[in-house]
Amino acid sequence: KQEVTQIPAALSVPEGENLVLNCSFTDSAIYNLQWFRQDPGKGLTSLLLIQSSQREQTSGRLNASLDKSSGRSTLYIAASQPGDSATYLCAVIPLYGGSQGNLIFGKGTKLSVKP
Amino acid sequence: KAGVTQTPRYLIKTRGQQVTLSCSPISGHRSVSWYQQTPGQGLQFLFEYFSETQRNKGNFPGRFSGRQFSNSRSEMNVSTLELGDSALYLCASSTGTSGRSGLEQYFGPGTRLTVT
Repeated sequence: KQEVTQIPAALSVPEGENLVLNCSFTDSAIYNLQWFRQDPGKGLTSLLLIQSSQREQTSGRLNASLDKSSGRSTLYIAASQPGDSATYLCAVIPLYGGSQGNLIFGKGTKLSVKP
Repeated sequence: KAGVTQTPRYLIKTRGQQVTLSCSPISGHRSVSWYQQTPGQGLQFLFEYFSETQRNKGNFPGRFSGRQFSNSRSEMNVSTLELGDSALYLCASSTGTSGRSGLEQYFGPGTRLTVT
């Protein structure tokens, strides 16, 4: 059974720092991995999607990497800003035992960027 | 292109009642998935519909049901509400088929259900 873990559960950094959020998954048989951002009480905003054949994706100050063999993904945020404060979630779509609309989520990392 | 919309945004119900939530996917998307988010359990998959057929179901009791219409809009229903059903219910849409998009999921703002 696929399980997704995110460490740390919470992170507080001063503005301007570069930071890395971690995501690990137990089964490397995945269709893709997606990173989301969630603001309090709101829905999820898709940040980056990495397909299983890819190693990384970049969007602005965000860079996500995927190492399927080790079951790990990282989300790198450069030059953090207070507006980056949110909960970051990673999720995978398993190749087996689920369907193409069945995301399995980690519990998230709550990021706080202090001015 | 309009995003995923969910109605209502907030709902307060009493134990034992039933509730219906609605989700309109992005135009052209044929897959709609539903998730329950609670502080304790996080985000959990409820079910997925594709072309009016349930394609997958999570580990929830039969009180949770759904359907999808020919225009891809979806509804989920919870009968005999319990206090533990209080949660943020999110729906997501995607094309539902493999391709360049890699089945990227787009989420709506959610419906906040409170059961008293």
